Amino acid sequence: ETGVTQTPRHLVMGMTNKKSLKCEQHLGHNAMYWYKQSAKKPLELMFVYSLEERVENNSVPSRFSPECPNSSHLFLHLHTLQPEDSALYLCASSQDKIVGNTIYFGEGSWLTVV
Amino acid sequence: SQKIEQNSEALNIQEGKTATLTCNYTNYSPAYLQWYRQDPGRGPVFLLLIRENEKEKRKERLKVTFDTTLKQSLFHITASQPADSATYLCALDNYGQNFVFGPGTRLSVLP
Repeated sequence: ETGVTQTPRHLVMGMTNKKSLKCEQHLGHNAMYWYKQSAKKPLELMFVYSLEERVENNSVPSRFSPECPNSSHLFLHLHTLQPEDSALYLCASSQDKIVGNTIYFGEGSWLTVV
Repeated sequence: SQKIEQNSEALNIQEGKTATLTCNYTNYSPAYLQWYRQDPGRGPVFLLLIRENEKEKRKERLKVTFDTTLKQSLFHITASQPADSATYLCALDNYGQNFVFGPGTRLSVLP
């Protein structure tokens, strides 16, 4: 139990579907992150939220849309995805968006786009 | 261009031996470097953080060194056990912005 919970753990969706990934952290942290992990590639930072404000968007296509309604919850809304978007999507949190803080990851959501 | 390399994609060692994993970086000047463990199908778990002014950090059977001249960090697991088998990721800060992760080394400790 890492204190960061992600749902669903597995998701299969068609290219025309709309779905959402959910993340909740129980650690009282102020920063939350979405990472993408594809086979044979390093973890890629997608979005960073600090105190519910998006502070970084690493050139992620608009078919991925994050939402942070409060400091404990983070969503990733998905629509018209491509098969190459199939990957493990990891949510994480840290005390603050300050380098040097430990990053706590959830277990991830495995996404398959068919 | 910026690059983070971790010695080999996979490393096999015999139980009881010391595993040594390397993390080399190019065109970064990190103030912090972290090591994480990731088991198959799970999220990474934080192990150790070392600062640029620290040469060495230890935690139980784990030891990390950080050489800013060589631009390298070494991660050691002494008296390795099959339960240590996992992928190990290094991460360093990108000029004080966010942490950037290396590709990882998959360690297998053979009984």
